[in-house]
This record gives sequence, C-alpha cells and structure tokens, in this order.
Amino acid sequence: EVQLVESGGGLLQPGGSLRLSCVASGFTFSSYEMHWVRQAPGKGLEWVSYISSSGRTIYYADSVKGRFTISRDNAKNSLYLQMNSLRVEDMAVYYCARATYYYESSGYDGEYFHHWGQGTLVTVSS
Amino acid sequence: SSEVTQDPAVSVALGQTVRITCQGDSLRSYSASWYQQKPGQAPVVVIFGENNRPSGIPDRFSGSRSGNTASLTITGAQAEDEADYYCHSRDSSGNHQVFGGGTKLTVL
Repeated sequence: EVQLVESGGGLLQPGGSLRLSCVASGFTFSSYEMHWVRQAPGKGLEWVSYISSSGRTIYYADSVKGRFTISRDNAKNSLYLQMNSLRVEDMAVYYCARATYYYESSGYDGEYFHHWGQGTLVTVSS
Repeated sequence: SSEVTQDPAVSVALGQTVRITCQGDSLRSYSASWYQQKPGQAPVVVIFGENNRPSGIPDRFSGSRSGNTASLTITGAQAEDEADYYCHSRDSSGNHQVFGGGTKLTVL
C-alpha cells in the first residue's frame, strides 16, 4: 500500500523558517516525481513545487520561488520542503503528492496525483 | 491567479446529471485531471486524461474535452458526491502545475 506521511508543520511568526518532511512507503520512491501542494484555510488547492525522480529538475510556483527549497533523499524515501521567510499567506495545509505521468493516444499528456499524504498544517501568525 | 478557471458552485438534484467545467488555454496542449475533496480530507483523483478512471472510482464519473475546456460529468449524482471538485493541468509553459479554483457541488 502506498503511503505518504508528512510532518514538520507548526506555528511560527512571519519571517520564520520551517522544514517539512514526507516519508514514502509502499513503492519505489526513487522512480517517481514528487510535488508539494498546499491549501490555505477555506481556499483551493495551490501547486507549490516539483522535483524529478533524480532530484536534478526542480520547479517552483512564483509565489514561493526564492524562499522555498524542495529536495529529496532517495536512500531515505523522503521528500523535503525548506520554507524560509514565511509570510501570513503561506499559512496552509501542505500535502506531498506522488505524480503519475500518462500519455494518451490522442497525443495529449499530463500527470495526475494519485497518492497524497494526509497533510501537515503550517500556521504563520504574529 | 489560476490559469484554469472553474465555476465556483454548481448544484444538482439527487439522481440527475451534472457537468463541471474547466477552461484555460493550456488545456489545448495538455490533459486535465479531476479531484474530489471532502471536508478535512486529502483530494482524491476521480478522472485523469480525457476519460480515465482510477480503480475504485464509480463509473458515474466521466470526463471529456473540447478545445480549451475539460469537463467532469457525474451521471446519476449521489448524496456522497457532494464535495469540492478541482481540475488540474499544466500551465502554458508546461513546467508548472495549475489547479482550478474549485467547484463546490451541492446535491439537492
């Protein structure tokens, strides 16, 4: 059974730092691309960051670029999100998600998030 | 702001059919997936690509696409289908992911 378990959330003041972790089990972690997705209280889903299976390719949403750093340790089956210079608007439940790529005969492709963690809450407040 | 847009709320009578749509220029190039989210729970994928259902998703859920629009259709909506639904795709660059703002489905 695929499991993703996030940890590291908490309460902190604006300008603070936090490191989130996501431990994976039930699949070959090193073979899958991973993402962080967040959801502010009462709001919709927002994609945060992507890391390739090897860790060599990384992307960030504009809202977190330069402040957040995604990384992974395939030997430890773990995904990380280092969050610096936190703002009130970063307050959210943070989910790690495993991406599955697909290609359709119509020529279109994409990825979907088949597996999600339970989320970890980050609260930013003065 | 999201590069794919959804209607904020839709309602459907129990047992009837409802369509939830997602529009965006990137949908002309990339496929979309759809997620159901109930309060306090992580999202669950119900459709990926044009019309692919993961195992365990009822066949009353179906997808389609036309031009810059992806659609999720629930045929014979049940009370347990009341939830928020999000579409998801890539942005125009192809490197970033985007979610629609979500559609709150009410089953009357």
